[in-house]
Amino acid sequence: DAKTTQPTSMDCAEGRAANLPCNHSTISGNEYVYWYRQIHSQGPQYIIHGLKNNETNEMASLIITEDRKSSTLILPHATLRDTAVYYCIAPGGTSYGKLTFGQGTILTVHP
Amino acid sequence: KAGVTQTPRYLIKTRGQQVTLSCSPISGHRSVSWYQQTPGQGLQFLFEYFSETQRNKGNFPGRFSGRQFSNSRSEMNVSTLELGDSALYLCASSGGTGGFLSYEQYFGPGTRLTVT
Repeated sequence: DAKTTQPTSMDCAEGRAANLPCNHSTISGNEYVYWYRQIHSQGPQYIIHGLKNNETNEMASLIITEDRKSSTLILPHATLRDTAVYYCIAPGGTSYGKLTFGQGTILTVHP
Repeated sequence: KAGVTQTPRYLIKTRGQQVTLSCSPISGHRSVSWYQQTPGQGLQFLFEYFSETQRNKGNFPGRFSGRQFSNSRSEMNVSTLELGDSALYLCASSGGTGGFLSYEQYFGPGTRLTVT
């Protein structure tokens, strides 16, 4: 697995975009980047993943730099329900089913 | 489509006892992974099963074991419980057969185990 580094915490105003960065400078060419979040007392929730190109789904957008050493998860219009711990994970391709969760970023969305 | 279900949701056991937790994956998913979450260690991978075979195992003692049935339902067992086994146990299912496809996982609500 590639090591990932995220800020410990971030704040965002409700209705504004939340941009969560992740550094994964040791990522190999065929390793995807996955984002999960965990709302207090719930199981983690899959958000999005990507390899090279930017990705978007109904929950978020994922921007990966051209050199693939970092990425940014964007929640376009954050709500109070987006307050959670966000995890950026870059699992290796041969480790079946194993996600290695770091400390993640605690995102707090304020009214 | 129904999500991942785990039973029981809460459990209180005494040191030395054993416990079995159950996980029903999303219909059609054949991969089930188990995780332990504690305040001190965070989320840690226990093991993964696919088609009744354990394909991956985390760094936990042999007291932690699991199995998967032909319908993809999975159980994990912890024998000789210790106080440190108190944790939230999460299972996740994936529709991927392996590699990168097995990392898009859908988690259940977890079983909160308290060992006294």
